[in-house]
Order: sequence, then C-alpha cells, then structure tokens
Amino acid sequence: AQSVTQLDSHVSVSEGTPVLLRCNYSSSYSPSLFWYVQHPNKGLQLLLKYTSAATLVKGINGFEAEFKKSETSFHLTKPSAHMSDAAEYFCVVSLRMDSSYKLIFGSGTRLLVRP
Amino acid sequence: GAGVSQSPSNKVTEKGKDVELRCDPISGHTALYWYRQSLGQGLEFLIYFQGNSAPDKSGLPSDRFSAERTGGSVSTLTIQRTQQEDSAVYLCASSLEGVSSTDTQYFGPGTRLTVL
Repeated sequence: AQSVTQLDSHVSVSEGTPVLLRCNYSSSYSPSLFWYVQHPNKGLQLLLKYTSAATLVKGINGFEAEFKKSETSFHLTKPSAHMSDAAEYFCVVSLRMDSSYKLIFGSGTRLLVRP
Repeated sequence: GAGVSQSPSNKVTEKGKDVELRCDPISGHTALYWYRQSLGQGLEFLIYFQGNSAPDKSGLPSDRFSAERTGGSVSTLTIQRTQQEDSAVYLCASSLEGVSSTDTQYFGPGTRLTVL
C-alpha cells in the first residue's frame, strides 16, 4: 500500500539557515510524490512534484526535493529559510483509485522560522 | 474562475442540523475531489467525481454524508444530522483530467465547519 511518513511534526530554524523536512514513502511501484504547503488560514499550495523525469525536483520559492529510491525518501530542502516560509508542509503520495487518483497525505510538519 | 472556490468559508451549526458545502472547481477541470482536515485524523480523502459520476464513495465517513456534482462543474457536499465529530475543514480540489498519477490537484481555501 502507498503511504508517506513525515518524520518530524515540528521543525524550528533560524532565518537564513537551511531547511530540511523529512519524508519517507512506502510503495510497491514507482510512486508519484508531492509536497504541499499550507499557510495559516490559507489553502493548500503545490510546492513541487516528482514525476520520475528527474530525481532532483525544483519547486517554487526556492524549495527542492530529491527522490532517493534506495532510501525510499523524498526530503524537502531550502538553502536559506525566510520568515514567510513558516507554514505546515505535507508530503503526499498519489494512490490509484477506479479511474483517477487520490492523494494520501502525511501527518504534516510545522515549520517555525525564528528571526 | 482563477482558482477553486468554496462556500461558505465558515459554517457554524447545531448538532442534528443538515449542512451543504459548495465547491466551484477551476473551469474545464473534469476531476473534482473532496477531502477533510481534522485535528484527530489529519487530511483524509472523502470522494471524487469524474465528470458528474462518483465511482467510489467508500471514503465517506457515514451514510449521513453525500455529494453530487451537476453539469460537470459545481459540487455540493451534504452532511445530514450533523454530529460534533463532523467539525473539520472540508477541502475541495480539482484537476484537469485526473487520469494520471502526476496530475496536480488544485485546492480551494476550504470550509471550516463547527458543530455545536
């Protein structure tokens, strides 16, 4: 069965320092993976997605994620955190249904950015 | 419209009342999805539509929940005889076709439902 595990419920960094949000997946075949971000009282926004075209995926706002099959990981990184990055981040895998796909969400990681 | 819209943004109701939540997907998107976000359960899938059809309703929590989509566009999620455990944010998403695992689902801002 497809699933994702986000290893940290909270991550706190100082502004200007690197961000690492960890995600491991479980899949019997090559998965489609996504990272979504949810700012307070806002909707979910797609940051990036892995489509098997390239293992290093670049997303919006300077975020990127690397698909590592040997480690079954899809960690999200950013070289330098900004205050506006404070939000909740969800690692997501796509699961096939009858004629479409539904998203299976991880439990989320709340990113705090200290000034 | 430019994005997925949902109404109302907030709904407070009394236990036992029925509520209707509306979703307006991105124009031209044939696939539409409903999710629920609650403190205890995280983000969970409820139901999806391909056009006006909902092939799989197994994600709905109980038979008090129903959904329909008309004209391949607007969808309504109805909760009958609401219970306090129905309190959550109900999110709607749409995608262009929904037939590929890499299709992006675009989310609306959600409806926050509070059952007193």
